[in-house]
Amino acid sequence: AQTVTQSQPEMSVQEAETVTLSCTYDTSESDYYLFWYKQPPSRQMILVIRQEAYKQQNATENRFSVNFQKAAKSFSLKISDSQLGDAAMYFCAYRSAIRAGKSTFGDGTTLTVKP
Amino acid sequence: GAVVSQHPSRVICKSGTSVKIECRSLDFQATTMFWYRQFPKQSLMLMATSNEGSKATYEQGVEKDKFLINHASLTLSTLTVTSAHPEDSSFYICSARFSSGAGELFFGEGSRLTVL
Repeated sequence: AQTVTQSQPEMSVQEAETVTLSCTYDTSESDYYLFWYKQPPSRQMILVIRQEAYKQQNATENRFSVNFQKAAKSFSLKISDSQLGDAAMYFCAYRSAIRAGKSTFGDGTTLTVKP
Repeated sequence: GAVVSQHPSRVICKSGTSVKIECRSLDFQATTMFWYRQFPKQSLMLMATSNEGSKATYEQGVEKDKFLINHASLTLSTLTVTSAHPEDSSFYICSARFSSGAGELFFGEGSRLTVL
């Protein structure tokens, strides 16, 4: 079974600075998808960014980018120019491309942005 | 992105009553929806996978008779908490995904259930 590990329960960053959230996963599959979801205090989760495992290029969405290291099974999220609205709980998730089904979530990292 | 709507956002009920929560995909057809339970500052706990036109697939340890899931159409799944008890108080979240592609999830707003 796949597992997703987020080793940082809490992180904080100064406004306008950069922060990196860590995520590692365990799988024997070669084809899969990875995601970062954000859950702000309003509680509705939204997709931040996704990465297809077959793509070597790291995904980027505006201030959000990932460092995808397939061999190391690592998928970190970098938030540049942090804003107060980035404060949220961030979840890393894995989904198999072969055995399409449910996603596996990490335990989450709570990000605090200091003004 | 796609829109998923969940209602009600908050519900308070008496112990022993049943509560229904609706999850709708507003601008796409979702053959599969998921129901989660979330405790404060914790991750999502998958309860069941809701499949349109067929029975839901429940995760181990989730009582099928207590948490009834119905996916009667391609845009609507419902979760009914039957004979609710205070320990069922929680935040319930639904999500849906496209039938093809990477399968990113689109989440409802969540429903806060309080059982008195």
